[in-house]
This record gives sequence, C-alpha cells and structure tokens, in this order.
Amino acid sequence: SYVLTQPPSVSVAPGQTASITCGGTNIGSKSVYWYQQRPGQAPMLVVYDDRERPSGIPERFSGSNSGITATLTISRVEAGDEADFYCQVWDSTGDRLVFGGGTKLTVL
Amino acid sequence: QVQLVQSGAEVKKPGASVKVSCKASGYTFTGYYIHWVRQAPGQGLEWMAWISPNNDDTSYAQNFQGRVTVTRDTSISTAYMELRRLTSDDTAVYYCARVGYNHIDYWGQGTLVTVSS
Repeated sequence: SYVLTQPPSVSVAPGQTASITCGGTNIGSKSVYWYQQRPGQAPMLVVYDDRERPSGIPERFSGSNSGITATLTISRVEAGDEADFYCQVWDSTGDRLVFGGGTKLTVL
Repeated sequence: QVQLVQSGAEVKKPGASVKVSCKASGYTFTGYYIHWVRQAPGQGLEWMAWISPNNDDTSYAQNFQGRVTVTRDTSISTAYMELRRLTSDDTAVYYCARVGYNHIDYWGQGTLVTVSS
C-alpha cells in the first residue's frame, strides 16, 4: 500500500519561511493535496494539484512536487499559521485516499 | 453553499456499534463521492471508506474490512457510516467529506465517538 512520510514537526520564526515535506514512491507522478488543521477544527484545503491555491488561501502558501518529495512552503510565516498540516494523494491501486502522518508547524 | 452536517457525539460501550449520519446540502448529492475519515485523539487522519451516492458503489480500507459499512439515502441526501464491534481504539472524531477530483473539498464538522466501559 502507498505510504506518505512527513516530518512530525517543523519550527520557524515569524517572518521566515517554513518548508514541510511529504515523501512517497514516485510521488512526482501523482497530484498532491495539502490540508491545514487548526485545533478543534476540520482540516482545510490549502494547496491542490501540487501547487494550486483554492480561493481565499494567501499567496504565501505554495507547493511543489518532483521525484520522491512534495513540499508545502509557507513564506513570511505568521503566528496564525500554526497548525497541523497533512499531505494527501489518491492511490488508484487501492482505490483510496492516502494521508501523510501530519506535521505540526510551530511558530516560535 | 455546500454543507455536510453530521449527527451528534456518541458514547458507546466496547462491543457495541455506532452509526453516524452526514446530511448534504447545497449541491447535487449524487454528483460527488462521500468519504469517511477518522482522527483519534492527538493522531493523524485515517481514511476509512467511500461511497458513490449515484450508484451505491463502496470501497473500504483494509483495516476496517468487515467492521464498517457505508450507506446512503438519496431521498434525503444523507450518507451513513456504521462501525461495529467497537473498542477503545475506535475513540475518535469521525468526519464525512465530499471528494471532488481526488481530494476533499468539503468536510463535515466531525462527530466524536467515545468508546468506554
């Protein structure tokens, strides 16, 4: 079964850039989706199709995907960005959604 | 606007079953798959199953095979997830979610299921 690997935590100072990775076998051949989840809330889509942003998501959020790693980049990090982030792909072999284990973003 | 409204919190004893509902509005119910995802306390997201409201096709995660059933009632635009033989490990928030193209575009508010003796 397809597995996505994320670092458990990433810390960054306000105003700096945070990069959250998502590793998977040949993930570059798949479309990757990123969700932000604040405590007590349902997740919210922040990037789709590797690098596209839904309406209302700031330009500070961007994505890339190549080879075995997809990356969510958050520029000019703000305190309000602190949350858990999950990557997701569609596993066509298993006919299922696959989530990464999640990364807790801490703003120092 | 698209909304998925789930049933309220449940407390169940080990060995019991729980059935969570998910009422959709603001779009054509049969036009999108409904998926179920759960999140144990302090843990990540775990995909459980999906159902096609259009033709009743389903798919289940191997971890839940034989214990979970997803159904729908198109007359009231509602999907259901039933989980049987509950244990304390099933304590979690259960989400229904609408899937657009290979990703979730709308989530329900979540239903907390607590399994405790």
